Amino acid sequence: ILNVEQSPQSLHVQEGDSTNFTCGFPSSNFYALHWYRWETAKSPEALFVMTLNGDEKKKGRISATLNTKEGYSYLYIKGSQPEDSATYLCAFISASNYQLIWGAGTKLIIKP
Amino acid sequence: NAGVTQTPKFQVLKTGQSMTLQCAQDMNHNSMYWYRQDPGMGLRLIYYSASEGTTDKGEVPNGYNVSRLNKREFSLRLESAAPSQTSVYFCASSEVWGIGELFFGEGSRLTVL
Repeated sequence: ILNVEQSPQSLHVQEGDSTNFTCGFPSSNFYALHWYRWETAKSPEALFVMTLNGDEKKKGRISATLNTKEGYSYLYIKGSQPEDSATYLCAFISASNYQLIWGAGTKLIIKP
Repeated sequence: NAGVTQTPKFQVLKTGQSMTLQCAQDMNHNSMYWYRQDPGMGLRLIYYSASEGTTDKGEVPNGYNVSRLNKREFSLRLESAAPSQTSVYFCASSEVWGIGELFFGEGSRLTVL
């Protein structure tokens, strides 16, 4: 059974502070890793699709790194703003069947 | 820009009733998916269609059927609804199977009494 673990489950961060959270996935048969942001009452929106070990991707104040050999990815948010409050999902794609396996998400709450 | 449109947004069913969730995308994507989302759990794949003309079971297919009607439309049918199928259902599409980012519909909240 393939497992994708995200930690922490939830996180409260003061506005202006930077933060990061983790996505752990199987280190074998890696194909790709996705990060999504899911705001309350909306649908998930893609942040990054990462495919290569050592990949670093950035979109504004949000960035992500990928380590396929040890099976983890970090998502970083610099200078958190209230609009960053959301659940952040990662999804691992195995090269054995190309299906996305989703983590349960990290719920981020930014305190003004 | 419609993107992925799914209907209905809300539905209440009695146990044993049937219904179909409709999904359409206007991005000319090849792959389409149906997920369910339950509290405390990640998104779970019910069925997917990697390309027009193909459908395959995902992680939790029991109690569901799908039809890829054409490249745009992918419907999910509950033949005999059960309370365990109470969930929020999301349709999604991607240009490329596997690597391509997913675009999601707004979700359909289904309650089975």
